[in-house]
Amino acid sequence: GNSVTQMEGPVTLSEEAFLTINCTYTATGYPSLFWYVQYPGEGLQLLLKATKADDKGSNKGFEATYRKETTSFHLEKGSVQVSDSAVYFCALSDYGGATNKLIFGTGTLLAVQP
Amino acid sequence: DGGITQSPKYLFRKEGQNVTLSCEQNLNHDAMYWYRQDPGQGLRLIYYSQIVNDFQKGDIAEGYSVSREKKESFPLTVTSAQKNPTAFYLCASSHRGRDSEQYFGPGTRLTVT
Repeated sequence: GNSVTQMEGPVTLSEEAFLTINCTYTATGYPSLFWYVQYPGEGLQLLLKATKADDKGSNKGFEATYRKETTSFHLEKGSVQVSDSAVYFCALSDYGGATNKLIFGTGTLLAVQP
Repeated sequence: DGGITQSPKYLFRKEGQNVTLSCEQNLNHDAMYWYRQDPGQGLRLIYYSQIVNDFQKGDIAEGYSVSREKKESFPLTVTSAQKNPTAFYLCASSHRGRDSEQYFGPGTRLTVT
C-alpha cells in the first residue's frame, strides 16, 4: 500500500540555520504531496503542496520539490526562526473514488533555539 | 469566520463509558474526516465521509462510530469497545477531489481512566 517515510526527530537548530526534513514516499500512480505543520496543542495547517512531478510548492520561506525519480518531497528553508518550532508532517493523497484520503508520515519535531 | 470547530478541547471519561466528540464546519465542504494522533505514530484515519448520510471506515475504525446527518456536522463516538481510547482526536474537512486541501480543527484531547 501507499506509505510515507519521514526522517525522525527531533531536529534542533539555531536561529538562521538551514533546514532540511527528508520525506520519501511509496505510491502507485501519481499522488499529490503535502507538508502540514502542527504548532503545540493545535490542529494541522497546510504549509505547501505539489500536485505533479517537478512541481515546487512554497510558502513562508519553506519549499519542497516533487521528485518522482527519487520518490521524495524534502522540506527546506534557508533560515529558520524560533517561531518555526513545530511538528512537520509529510503526506500523500490516496485518491480513489472522489475521496482524498491523506496518508501521513510520523512527523518530525523541529526545535529552533535563539 | 469560516473554519472547523471541535469541542471540547479536553475531555475526561471513565473506562467503560461511551463518549461523543463534536466536529462542526462552515466551509461548505462535502468531505469530512476523523483522525487519531498518538505520540510517534503520526495521524491515522478512523472514519471519513464524502457526503451526507454516507461514511466509510478508515484504517482504525474498530471501537468507533460516526454519523453524518448534516453536511456541517460529523460527530465521533468512542465506544467502550475501543481498547486504547486515550489520544488526541482531529477532525478535518475538504472539498471532494484529488488535490483538495484538508482543513483541520484544533483537536480534542481525550483521557480515559
